[in-house]
Amino acid sequence: DTEVTQTPKHLVMGMTNKKSLKCEQHMGHRAMYWYKQKAKKPPELMFVYSYEKLSINESVPSRFSPECPNSSLLNLHLHALQPEDSALYLCASSHPGLAGGPVKNEQFFGPGTRLTVL
Amino acid sequence: SQQGEEDPQALSIQEGENATMNCSYKTSINNLQWYRQNSGRGLVHLILIRSNEREKHSGRLRVTLDTSKKSSSLLITASRAADTASYFCATDANTGGFKTIFGAGTRLFVKA
Repeated sequence: DTEVTQTPKHLVMGMTNKKSLKCEQHMGHRAMYWYKQKAKKPPELMFVYSYEKLSINESVPSRFSPECPNSSLLNLHLHALQPEDSALYLCASSHPGLAGGPVKNEQFFGPGTRLTVL
Repeated sequence: SQQGEEDPQALSIQEGENATMNCSYKTSINNLQWYRQNSGRGLVHLILIRSNEREKHSGRLRVTLDTSKKSSSLLITASRAADTASYFCATDANTGGFKTIFGAGTRLFVKA
């Protein structure tokens, strides 16, 4: 299984709602990522988990809360979002490289969740 | 600041022609990767070139890396309409950890 799945495909939420995005992979990857992508822009890294521990937080606002309950699952909890948070949210996974050591392998991406905040 | 920047921003060619996209980056890297993205979909990994490699081939793809100029190019030969997509370079900054930074991307349109 070389697939990363993401649910839901589409999400529309109000600014007062609480929702969660889910990501799952069964490739044995121990690094998982959340990216945000606006239209016609490149993906921007938000969070990285390595061995289920938060490794990188790219100064993301606290209204985005990541969670990695086990090595196959990655969640992104959303609360009190703003309309400018509307975007495609991409999850990815990879084999983690060693810090300062061997080259990191390719990332496998899910199809994304298209989020619209009203 | 953005690590990778690409040119051209958009490229329109006829089927059968070659397409060349360029990427420049700012800091030292472990490797450089190229990804493809069909409209509104997830990214698909195309090829990875390590910092000690200068050229790599995969099918109709040819990637070059010049670390002295901090630049890379992706060549797609004999393009097909199905190659229409956005292409991003991504660098793994040599700072340790997992920080991958994507370039602005080139939108390729191949006319049948």
